[in-house]
Amino acid sequence: DIQMTQSPSSLSASVGDRVTITCRASQSITSYLNWYQQKPGKAPKLVIYAASNLQSGVPSRFSGSGSGTDFTLTISSLQPEDFATYYCQQGFTFGPGTKVDIK
Amino acid sequence: EVQLVESGGGLVQPGGSLRLSCAASGFTFSSYEMNWVRQAPGKGLEWISYITSSGTTIYYADSVRGRFTISKDNAKNSLYLQMSSLRAEDTAVYYCARERTAFGAFDIWGQGTMVTVSS
Repeated sequence: DIQMTQSPSSLSASVGDRVTITCRASQSITSYLNWYQQKPGKAPKLVIYAASNLQSGVPSRFSGSGSGTDFTLTISSLQPEDFATYYCQQGFTFGPGTKVDIK
Repeated sequence: EVQLVESGGGLVQPGGSLRLSCAASGFTFSSYEMNWVRQAPGKGLEWISYITSSGTTIYYADSVRGRFTISKDNAKNSLYLQMSSLRAEDTAVYYCARERTAFGAFDIWGQGTMVTVSS
């Protein structure tokens, strides 16, 4: 089975900061990597699919990159509504999540 | 509006059974693969089951295989999860999620339904 790891597990940032979250797969998954945002008490929301494609309705400050085993989610200028937990996903496996909170 | 609405959660004793439902609207349900994903309190997301658009292919996570059964009624635009032999570790919010064609992304999620297994 493919294992997914994320780093960091949590981070503190300020509004306006550039934030980067990394997801690593235990073996190559080409570009089949998706990113979700989840706020407390809410369902996850698809942000990026196929490593670098912005889901409809998601602000352009979100971007994704990577292929093979290493992937990144970048928020170019963190906004108050972006404080949440972010999960990567490949197939039937989710990463453990990265919590982004306010510094 | 494209929407998924789960129901059927609640409190159940260990060893008991429960059936979750997921009602779909706003899209052609019969054309989509569907999944169940759960989240234990304070924990991350765990995929538990998948079904193809026609219901012919089904997969389960090891943690629920043999105890949970996924099914899909395209005529009723509904997805189901029959859960039996429930354990305390099955306590979680259960989400149904639509799988986007290609890429394996879950693009539409329900609001979730809470299942608590406790005596």
